[in-house]
Amino acid sequence: AQKVTQAQTEISVVEKEDVTLDCVYETRDTTYYLFWYKQPPSGELVFLIRRNSFDEQNEISGRYSWNFQKSTSSFNFTITASQVVDSAVYFCALSYILTGGGNKLTFGTGTQLKVEL
Amino acid sequence: ETGVTQTPRHLVMGMTNKKSLKCEQHLGHNAMYWYKQSAKKPLELMFVYSLEERVENNSVPSRFSPECPNSSHLFLHLHTLQPEDSALYLCASSQGPGNRVESYEQYFGPGTRLTVT
Repeated sequence: AQKVTQAQTEISVVEKEDVTLDCVYETRDTTYYLFWYKQPPSGELVFLIRRNSFDEQNEISGRYSWNFQKSTSSFNFTITASQVVDSAVYFCALSYILTGGGNKLTFGTGTQLKVEL
Repeated sequence: ETGVTQTPRHLVMGMTNKKSLKCEQHLGHNAMYWYKQSAKKPLELMFVYSLEERVENNSVPSRFSPECPNSSHLFLHLHTLQPEDSALYLCASSQGPGNRVESYEQYFGPGTRLTVT
């Protein structure tokens, strides 16, 4: 069974602080993909990053960075120098291919990030 | 602009009404999805269509009836809903079928906020 755990329900930080969002996953598949999505108040889920199970290199994109560690089944997301516009709900998700086509995303419960001035 | 549109954005309906949610994707994808997002709960996958065939149905009550007339359009027909069906309904699309990396990514629409009175 697939499972994604985001233990942090809500995080509040002051602007310019760094913040790390945790994600722990469970799967028996050897090939899988992990994702982070951002959901601003408007409701739409915005794709941030994809990481496959064979690539454990950390990735940095501007103020965002991701730390994938297969040994601990974790895929954590760090925002450096947070800004008010980063305020949103962030979801970690695990994907596998369906035999009939398409794929199935299992989402965590999300972490509400509030960045205040 | 993610290329996935949903209408209406907001819907209020009584328990005896019949209504439909519409989703359209402009990304050339072959798989489409319906998700339900309720407060304090993870996103729940409801239906998956690949090449216009339903490939996943996650024990969704029959009062929700999906329809996929072509690879660009997806509908969710609603009838005799219950107040607990009030939620944000999200549509997504992805490439597929296949094991290409891109097949794992889903792109979401802005959602329809449904309130059942």
